[in-house]
Amino acid sequence: EAGVTQSPTHLIKTRGQQATLRCSPISGHTSVYWYQQALGLGLQFLLWYDEGEERNRGNFPPRFSGRQFPNYSSELNVNALELEDSALYLCASSPTGTLQETQYFGPGTRLLVL
Amino acid sequence: AQRVTQPEKLLSVFKGAPVELKCNYSYSGSPELFWYVQYSRQRLQLLLRHISRESIKGFTADLNKGETSFHLKKPFAQEEDSAMYYCARGKVGGGTSYGKLTFGQGTILTVHP
Repeated sequence: EAGVTQSPTHLIKTRGQQATLRCSPISGHTSVYWYQQALGLGLQFLLWYDEGEERNRGNFPPRFSGRQFPNYSSELNVNALELEDSALYLCASSPTGTLQETQYFGPGTRLLVL
Repeated sequence: AQRVTQPEKLLSVFKGAPVELKCNYSYSGSPELFWYVQYSRQRLQLLLRHISRESIKGFTADLNKGETSFHLKKPFAQEEDSAMYYCARGKVGGGTSYGKLTFGQGTILTVHP
């Protein structure tokens, strides 16, 4: 069974640009979660999508947004990039949106903002 | 707000020694607690969860609601246990904590030969 996949693996942008990160969940999983792992800040919850809807959002500004497609894959968009957005962005998926289900993580996209 | 505290950033033990990675959480309703592990150059993966009450790779963790702790233990550490360990909690039910995992800062465990 293929795991969660993310693309690109690395992304370099400059301040003010927009970044788009992609995630494909495990087949059969309907929930997708995004987390930010910034240096010194640990893993921070960003967004949760389930069945195409945004279900919960972490304490991040509105320039962090995303969507979930009918095939349950997801995009994370970060507008007006700032230097502090440099981080590893992890995507996770689960069969449903309840915590009775394990979240399975992808390898991450490393975003560098110059 | 939900908080998860892992007081040790670094933990070093020798092979065969017992190891305990500490985790404390803020009390709020009925927590779902997890330990995730990230080995070098691998993705984050679930090690165990408290509702399963199982032992994975010799590790166990007991939920102590009185002390709001979920420490991870292994009686005899192995070199291959060297990794970053994260404690995480979630919340079943509604509200702003629903669906998300709150992670501790992580503990880097190094097991020396």
